[in-house]
Amino acid sequence: NAGVTQTPKFQVLKTGQSMTLQCAQDMNHEYMSWYRQDPGMGLRLIHYSVGAGITDQGEVPNGYNVSRSTTEDFPLRLLSAAPSQTSVYFCASSQSGRGQGQPQHFGDGTRLSIL
Amino acid sequence: TQLLEQSPQFLSIQEGENLTVYCNSSSVFSSLQWYRQEPGEGPVLLVTVVTGGEVKKLKRLTFQFGDARKDSSLHITAAQTGDTGLYLCAFCSPLGAGGTSYGKLTFGQGTILTVHP
Repeated sequence: NAGVTQTPKFQVLKTGQSMTLQCAQDMNHEYMSWYRQDPGMGLRLIHYSVGAGITDQGEVPNGYNVSRSTTEDFPLRLLSAAPSQTSVYFCASSQSGRGQGQPQHFGDGTRLSIL
Repeated sequence: TQLLEQSPQFLSIQEGENLTVYCNSSSVFSSLQWYRQEPGEGPVLLVTVVTGGEVKKLKRLTFQFGDARKDSSLHITAAQTGDTGLYLCAFCSPLGAGGTSYGKLTFGQGTILTVHP
């Protein structure tokens, strides 16, 4: 089982460049999300999607765009990279629907440095 | 604003010792999850607690949800070097109107545990 696959694993960008972080899941999960992880801050929600064609903002959405054209894929776009966006980015997926505490399945992360 | 406070932030112990990690808030949660994260990997779910006062055991790990559902603890008995990692608590909040779908997580800042041989 591939689970949640993120690419690339590492990336270095210059300030002002744009790029797309890829995320794909093969579990037919409805819910997908993007988090960033910074030292001492835990994980913070950037954007999420409850199904194809539906996205919404999380806690720290500024500077990021998302789209969900298929159930499997949920790319995260950095429009104009800034040093403050240096972080480790995690994509996660889960079944949505009734029930509390749906387990989130995380990818292994993309380590992004903005110079 | 941090809604979940984890303590301690760092914990360094010897193999065989016991330890407890705490997750506290002023808010009441319908459920709370604990995750473990190893370097270079994403978090992995350990347990979900739902009922106030609930205790769940996972081998040497014991998880407790406070009676008022505002706090939780993770106790590890006889720690092993393989327990080393980042431990995160997170609460689930409903998405959309009606609150019947859950999936949005808010995390504490984590506890970095190092177990020395």
